Amino acid sequence: ETGVTQTPRHLVMGMTNKKSLKCEQHLGHNAMYWYKQSAKKPLELMFVYNFKEQTENNSVPSRFSPECPNSSHLFLHLHTLQPEDSALYLCASSQEGTGMNTEAFFGQGTRLTVV
Amino acid sequence: AQSVAQPEDQVNVAEGNPLTVKCTYSVSGNPYLFWYVQYPNRGLQFLLKYITGDNLVKGSYGFEAEFNKSQTSFHLKKPSALVSDSALYFCAVRDYSSGNTPLVFGKGTRLSVIA
Repeated sequence: ETGVTQTPRHLVMGMTNKKSLKCEQHLGHNAMYWYKQSAKKPLELMFVYNFKEQTENNSVPSRFSPECPNSSHLFLHLHTLQPEDSALYLCASSQEGTGMNTEAFFGQGTRLTVV
Repeated sequence: AQSVAQPEDQVNVAEGNPLTVKCTYSVSGNPYLFWYVQYPNRGLQFLLKYITGDNLVKGSYGFEAEFNKSQTSFHLKKPSALVSDSALYFCAVRDYSSGNTPLVFGKGTRLSVIA
């Protein structure tokens, strides 16, 4: 276990559904991330939260909506997704700050299938 | 902008032979370099990192990597491969000269160790 827990591990949803992915980190880190992993493509950074503030949004469609209520929890709200959104969604956390250079720790991911 | 290239989609090696997984990077400032491994249906697991100091970095499970500034490379190596090393390997870079930028990943290299 890496200290980053994602739920659910698997999710199948229709294009008109609304669902949420949850991530929780037990490492005391101050930054959290959502990545998308699709087959044969590089990991795509979706969102970054530093100290609960969103600092990066890499042109992600509005059907993906992140929420970071505190430094330990991160959500990804999903609404009216498309089949091409099917992928492994990975959450990660790290400790950021002056002089910090820690690696990111990843959860096991949520395998999302949009039907 | 920072980027990572992993030129090989697939690397095959016989058990007991040395293995190398290649990675080159591009950053405008100082690179912090990482290797991660991903087993099927799992998240990314940290292997090793280069921040500063010795160019040869040793990490988990007998892996090591050599930072070469002139060639902008950070190849992953292991003297004697095991079947259990078969997995997907990702190289990643951060540019700390630009502040705390998120990790940028390569597309991954699938390592297959044959008994």
